[in-house]
Amino acid sequence: DAKTTQPTSMDCAEGRAANLPCNHSTISGNEYVYWYRQIHSQGPQYIIHGLKNNETNEMASLIITEDRKSSTLILPHATLRDTAVYYCIVSPASGGSYIPTFGRGTSLIVHP
Amino acid sequence: GAVVSQHPSWVICKSGTSVKIECRSLDFQATTMFWYRQFPKQSLMLMATSNEGSKATYEQGVEKDKFLINHASLTLSTLTVTSAHPEDSSFYICSVPREGYNEQFFGPGTRLTVL
Repeated sequence: DAKTTQPTSMDCAEGRAANLPCNHSTISGNEYVYWYRQIHSQGPQYIIHGLKNNETNEMASLIITEDRKSSTLILPHATLRDTAVYYCIVSPASGGSYIPTFGRGTSLIVHP
Repeated sequence: GAVVSQHPSWVICKSGTSVKIECRSLDFQATTMFWYRQFPKQSLMLMATSNEGSKATYEQGVEKDKFLINHASLTLSTLTVTSAHPEDSSFYICSVPREGYNEQFFGPGTRLTVL
């Protein structure tokens, strides 16, 4: 059962910020928000995860609302190579013990 | 660099034959590995959990006699699609959890085409 909802598709101009939303209104207090992406014909790639604080790494930023019912993945300067399907996943545990359950994700197209 | 590999990256076989797909953890040992399949324009669907030293755990609707899983060592799990049919054509992906890491590490996937 899907625990997250994401827009089916989005597009973004190269060099601009890509903001990908995710709704997870039924998230539990001990569940983390994970983001992965899948470039065509490749395996998924981990991007970032968070519990309640905003997070940033070399790939992206994750903004989680105070009530934790939604989040936004931000690619600050999108490139053509960021064209992929982005998956938002909630998980009951940190660490590798959980099994990611993938929804449909958001297909992001970055155009020149 | 890649920490999980799959072999082969793609395979074409005739209907009725069996195909073995390998998933290797390159940098660390893994007592558990996960197998997914992905049909065109669809999301990843978990097929089974591969357990080192014990039987695999299959998701509902996945035939264990058709999709044989062997966790041969702490770095290798194999998925054998037996008596493959065209409807088994799919993208098969493994993932490996790693102790001390929050994320899953996914293999590059294996594209199976059954003629």
